[in-house]
Amino acid sequence: NAGVTQTPKFRILKIGQSMTLQCTQDMNHNYMYWYRQDPGMGLKLIYYSVGAGITDKGEVPNGYNVSRSTTEDFPLRLELAAPSQTSVYFCASSYSGAGGYSDTQYFGPGTRLTVL
Amino acid sequence: KQEVTQIPAALSVPEGENLVLNCSFTDSAIYNLQWFRQDPGKGLTSLLLIQSSQREQTSGRLNASLDKSSGRSTLYIAASQPGDSATYLCAVRKGSQGNLIFGKGTKLSVKP
Repeated sequence: NAGVTQTPKFRILKIGQSMTLQCTQDMNHNYMYWYRQDPGMGLKLIYYSVGAGITDKGEVPNGYNVSRSTTEDFPLRLELAAPSQTSVYFCASSYSGAGGYSDTQYFGPGTRLTVL
Repeated sequence: KQEVTQIPAALSVPEGENLVLNCSFTDSAIYNLQWFRQDPGKGLTSLLLIQSSQREQTSGRLNASLDKSSGRSTLYIAASQPGDSATYLCAVRKGSQGNLIFGKGTKLSVKP
């Protein structure tokens, strides 16, 4: 299993540009998450999804959008990038179901985004 | 509002020393607590998860304890090794569907 993969690894955007951060997991997890981590800070939840077609806002959703059309993919869209969105973005997944609940979240390697 | 604090922010110890990392949280009504490890430029790796009904969890040289009433958790690392050098993050979950609230982490350096 590749686990959770994220692309790209690095990206520089100009103010006002848009982009999509890709996230894919091959563990058949139903839950997926997007976090951002600013320098010297803990992670903050942007959006999460409990299954295909279902998404919900986290702590810091402004300026972002998500969709979940398949179990495997959970892309994060940045519209009109701003310098305040300079951060490292992590995608994560976990499994919760009748057969056993696991709260352990598995993280991707991150995307380092700079907005200039 | 739940806040998670980790002290110290950084710690440097010689190899072989036993050490304790601290995590405190302001709202004792948590669902569970997790400790993660983060290596530079990498994602997070889950180390230990303690459910609210549990007092501790162990994995190899790691032992995490939870005292909900006092809003504290500790991560004990025995016989530290240079490979343990990383940032250790603590996170709490309020409910079964709640967000994970993270602390800022403790950066650990183990000197050979």
